Amino acid sequence: GAGVSQSPSNKVTEKGKDVELRCDPISGHTALYWYRQSLGQGLEFLIYFQGNSAPDKSGLPSDRFSAERTGGSVSTLTIQRTQQEDSAVYLCASSLDGQGAQPQHFGDGTRLSIL
Amino acid sequence: GEDVEQSLFLSVREGDSSVINCTYTDSSSTYLYWYKQEPGAGLQLLTYIFSNMDMKQDQRLTVLLNKKDKHLSLRIADTQTGDSAIYFCAEKGSSNTGKLIFGQGTTLQVKP
Repeated sequence: GAGVSQSPSNKVTEKGKDVELRCDPISGHTALYWYRQSLGQGLEFLIYFQGNSAPDKSGLPSDRFSAERTGGSVSTLTIQRTQQEDSAVYLCASSLDGQGAQPQHFGDGTRLSIL
Repeated sequence: GEDVEQSLFLSVREGDSSVINCTYTDSSSTYLYWYKQEPGAGLQLLTYIFSNMDMKQDQRLTVLLNKKDKHLSLRIADTQTGDSAIYFCAEKGSSNTGKLIFGQGTTLQVKP
């Protein structure tokens, strides 16, 4: 597709369940980012991928959060044993690479609600 | 640490100019960005400026950067109702990860 694609667009789940969020970046973009947008915290960086490796995971809030990227393309963000404070919009972005001015292009996000 | 601040709300009349302001603390910022977010959507890149520039113009958008004061502004000329949205300022520091640090966002309300 032409842009960054995220799925699902909405996810409602019960506290304690695991969730997987998917991001399909723009074709040819080697850098991929996950951010979280919540009312109290604004937009927070979670993790950065260059190719399949993650040189910066400093924004992951706890060990319940993990992410992987395969084939230098699709990425999955997994949240285990979800808590109510995990409710937020999870945004994925990609760029040609992580250097210089290459701007990040965002998907429409996954709105996650934990009951 | 790195911090980006914006005022939270701006209201203008259709046809007027809007000026959205942003301040940042990281003196090693390399690039600064403006994004627009409409309800239920992701962030749309509007424009960006390299830290060694002081101005960039793109159609109705003008970005001004005062590096000494670490102050960035976005001017929207002839503001339209379709410009109503949340505008985010973001900075990319000197780290090699490219992560962006965002401000809280400024809600722009355009009245007809």
